[in-house]
Order: sequence, then structure tokens, then C-alpha cells
Amino acid sequence: EAGVTQFPSHSVIEKGQTVTLRCDPISGHDNLYWYRRVMGKEIKFLLHFVKESKQDESGMPNNRFLAERTGGTYSTLKVQPAELEDSGVYFCASSQVTGMISPLHFGNGTRLTVT
Amino acid sequence: DQQVKQNSPSLSVQEGRISILNCDYTNSMFDYFLWYKKYPAEGPTFLISISSIKDKNEDGRFTVFLNKSAKHLSLHIVPSQPGDSAVYFCAATLFSGNTGKLIFGQGTTLQVKP
Repeated sequence: EAGVTQFPSHSVIEKGQTVTLRCDPISGHDNLYWYRRVMGKEIKFLLHFVKESKQDESGMPNNRFLAERTGGTYSTLKVQPAELEDSGVYFCASSQVTGMISPLHFGNGTRLTVT
Repeated sequence: DQQVKQNSPSLSVQEGRISILNCDYTNSMFDYFLWYKKYPAEGPTFLISISSIKDKNEDGRFTVFLNKSAKHLSLHIVPSQPGDSAVYFCAATLFSGNTGKLIFGQGTTLQVKP
């Protein structure tokens, strides 16, 4: 089966610009997560979708970040306007059932650089 | 405040020897723990997990030990192989919360020398 795919793999934008990251989860996975790793630190939870509904968005840094999952398939994460501290690697993950019986499957990430 | 900590940023071991990666946590409510491995330019991949009702879980060369009283877990790799060189992340969650939300440590970079 195809894994979690993320696009683009790299993005370099200037401060104040907008960037949209895309994630395609594994087919049939209802749970979709966004995580971020900044400057070699810990991987931090951003939010969790169950199908098209936001289950938990407690990790979203601020209202410059907007995540959507229309139709319960792929998801997008938009940063508008981007700031320097938004630089990092954004990971998407999916799982088939809620809970840890099915570990999260991660994509390769999008490396975002804001200059 | 970071709830999961991996205090050793890096570890270097010789091929064939044991690698021990450590992780500490502060939240006593965590009831499920996982280790993920990450190669450069790839996403983390699940390695092994342990429930808080156990103190040891073994899968081939990988064993995870959990000491609840010390809020400490460790990953043992025996014998270590050059292909094990990667960043290892410890993660914790509330299984009973059933959300799949993971709290990660900062990661430990393991280098296994041939």
C-alpha cells in the first residue's frame, strides 16, 4: 500500500508570504495528524482530524495556521502570513483506528524555510 | 514544559555492542510509550511500544524497559548494526484517552560504527 505522502518536500518562502502544505494519508485511514519539528527539537503535535472533523487542535501555534480536511481524504495546512519561527519540518501522520493499537504512519515531511 | 525528555543528544557505539537509549517523562498519567526511528529526509517509523502495565517488551534485537516509579524508559539494541544509525525518538501518550496524540522527546542520534 502507498504510504503517507506529503507535498512539497521543501519550501522556501519569505516572511509574510503564504504557504500551503498538503498531506495524503494512507487510503482508508480516518485519523490524520499534523506534527512539527523545529530546529532539531522535539516533534510537536499540532492537530488531529477524524475524517473531516477536527478532533484536537490544541497544538496549533496561533491563528496564522489553518488546517483543513475536506471530504475526509487529503489535508492541507496553510500558514498565512509566514513568520521566521515557522521554519521547521512539518510531518503528517495517519492511522486506521483511534488509539495506539495502530501506530501512526508518518510521511517524509515538508521542510519549510521562512527567510 | 517538556513532558518527555531525552537528555542525551547523541550516542556512539561499536557494531555488535549494546546501544542503550534513555528517556524520562514527567506526567504520571502517561500509560503507553513508543519508540520511533528516523532516518535523514524520512519520517519517523514505529519501532516498538510498551504499555504501562508491563515493564519489558522485546522484539528481536530491540527491547524496551519501563520503570514507572522512576518515570524512565530505555531502549536496548543488541547487537547494534550500522543500519541502526538514525535518530531515535521516545514518545508517550494516554492510551485511555484514545486520541493517538503523541508527546515526543527531542531525539537521540545513534551512530553505530563498523
